[in-house]
Parts: sequence; C-alpha cells; structure tokens
Amino acid sequence: DARVTQTPRHKVTEMGQEVTMRCQPILGHNTVFWYRQTMMQGLELLAYFRNRAPLDDSGMPKDRFSAEMPDATLATLKIQPSEPRDSAVYFCASGLPRTGNTEAFFGQGTRLTVV
Amino acid sequence: GENVEQHPSTLSVQEGDSAVIKCTYSDSASNYFPWYKQELGKRPQLIIDIRSNVGEKKDQRIAVTLNKTAKHFSLHITETQPEDSAVYFCAAPSPFTGGGNKLTFGTGTQLKVEL
Repeated sequence: DARVTQTPRHKVTEMGQEVTMRCQPILGHNTVFWYRQTMMQGLELLAYFRNRAPLDDSGMPKDRFSAEMPDATLATLKIQPSEPRDSAVYFCASGLPRTGNTEAFFGQGTRLTVV
Repeated sequence: GENVEQHPSTLSVQEGDSAVIKCTYSDSASNYFPWYKQELGKRPQLIIDIRSNVGEKKDQRIAVTLNKTAKHFSLHITETQPEDSAVYFCAAPSPFTGGGNKLTFGTGTQLKVEL
C-alpha cells in the first residue's frame, strides 16, 4: 500500500554538523507536514506545505532549520548547525485535504541523535 | 490556535476490559477529530476519525464519541488485547493563517493491556 517514505531512518551526528532529512510523500498528496516528536514536547508541527508552497513554518527555529519541497515527490528538512537539543524523531506526513478534514499519513520517521 | 488536552497520560487495564481516553479542544470551529495509535518505535497510524456531523462512530472494537457542545471527544476500546498496548494520540484541526488546516495533537496516552 502507498506509504510516506523517509530517509535516513537513523542519524547520529556531531554537534555543529549539517543534517538533511528527506521525505517522499504519497503520490498524489499535495500537503506535507514535518513534525518533531520528543518525550517532553510530544508531536510538534514544524512546517506545512501545500502544493509545494510553504504555508506555515512558525513552529520551526528559523536560525538553524529550513524546509523545502524541490518537487512534488521530495520534501527536505535541514538543520545547520545541529545541536544536542535537536535530538528527536522527525516525522513527515502527507495528506490530501478534503472539506472538513485534515488527514495526515505519517512516514516511519528519522531518529536524530546529535552528540 | 487550537488547544488539545488529553487524559489520562497512562492507562493500565486487564486484558478483556474496556479502555477510555478523553480529549478536549478549544476551537469551536474544529470539525474533524482523528485518533492515532503509535506502537513503540513506529509511526503514528490513523485508527479512527469522526466528523462533527455525527456523534459516534464505531469500527469493530474501537469507537469514538463526540460532544460538540462540551468540546470533547473520546476513544473507546472494548475487549482489549495485548496488541492494543501503544500510545494513543487525539488531534484536532486548526486553521493556518495562509489557508488550510493543521493538526494539533494531544500529549498522548500510554495504554498498557496486562495479561
């Protein structure tokens, strides 16, 4: 069945290094969400794209985080420079909004550890 | 924006018993309420959702009820089984300034079904 694909699944990096996470949304879905999950904060929305345009990235630290959709099949989340507090699981989700709902189908996540 | 509160944070039941998880939301305009199940180390997966034009929806052993007046909705799991053990998240939509909706998630309920 169709799934959201994220790479890499795991990433360990040193503080200060650049990290790029990739997401392939479900074919035909025109909305993409990036969420960060930690024990303390739960699921936090970082960015939201519709038809490849960023509609909201207010949840994202602008000084070090950036999100893009180079094309309809690829969304990226970049952290530069990374810090230990960025350690979390980053989920991408895609959906096809219909009137009255906002379905989100999650990828398997990228578990990031910054040491 | 939307504020979603979820209770309890942990729930332990005996196999075969019922489990109930409750959420409240703040935005009276919200009209779609999904529930996600997340097993350890895996992605959140949509298990059931309800739209505001109905008060209850069932799917085999799970059901969701919605009280729009009181702005709360609940997940009911009957005849619980060990494989129901997971973290359950409720969510509610809130509008983006730029258009569309985002899902605001509750803080999650760790359900443990004991033999």
